[in-house]
Amino acid sequence: ETGVTQSPTHLIKTRGQQVTLRCSSQSGHNTVSWYQQALGQGPQFIFQYYREEENGRGNFPPRFSGLQFPNYSSELNVNALELDDSALYLCASSKGASYNEQFFGPGTRLTVL
Amino acid sequence: GQQVMQIPQYQHVQEGEDFTTYCNSSTTLSNIQWYKQRPGGHPVFLIQLVKSGEVKKQKRLTFQFGEAKKNSSLHITATQTTDVGTYFCAGRRRQLTFGSGTQLTVLP
Repeated sequence: ETGVTQSPTHLIKTRGQQVTLRCSSQSGHNTVSWYQQALGQGPQFIFQYYREEENGRGNFPPRFSGLQFPNYSSELNVNALELDDSALYLCASSKGASYNEQFFGPGTRLTVL
Repeated sequence: GQQVMQIPQYQHVQEGEDFTTYCNSSTTLSNIQWYKQRPGGHPVFLIQLVKSGEVKKQKRLTFQFGEAKKNSSLHITATQTTDVGTYFCAGRRRQLTFGSGTQLTVLP
């Protein structure tokens, strides 16, 4: 088990609503990356935060935004939810502003109705 | 943009048979990582390969990185039921791009 925790574990929202997902990184890690994993697919990179600054972004629209706090925990916010946003959202912590070994949390399963 | 393709999508093997999954990138990679995701679980890091032509072994698992640093493979010898899961490669260039995975089923 990694020391990465995520909350909530499951969430159901309706189209157009907004959602906030939370992640606590493993002790000693200062980088958090967020991924979206649709059923039967590999994780898709959303963005990475390093020392409270966005350090890279994948091909996701601006309604996906994030924050990293001084204790290196992080939030993922998604506005104006769409049906296609239904997925498993994974956060992963790592050391340094790079893409080294990713320690994944258990994920948040988001369902948009 | 960078694309990472992985084949096969599914593989069913009898326990004791070998298994191989292949990963190909559209661009040259800085490194490649491999992850395993058990059903209902999250990806777990297996290994990272950095050098051209690198080969690494972990017990029954053998990982290779191609000479051109655009392809990689994972080979499992004599599969066991504990090997069940989806194996992902993830290629690093500017970011980490995951392949779509190979779902391995091992029949007892």
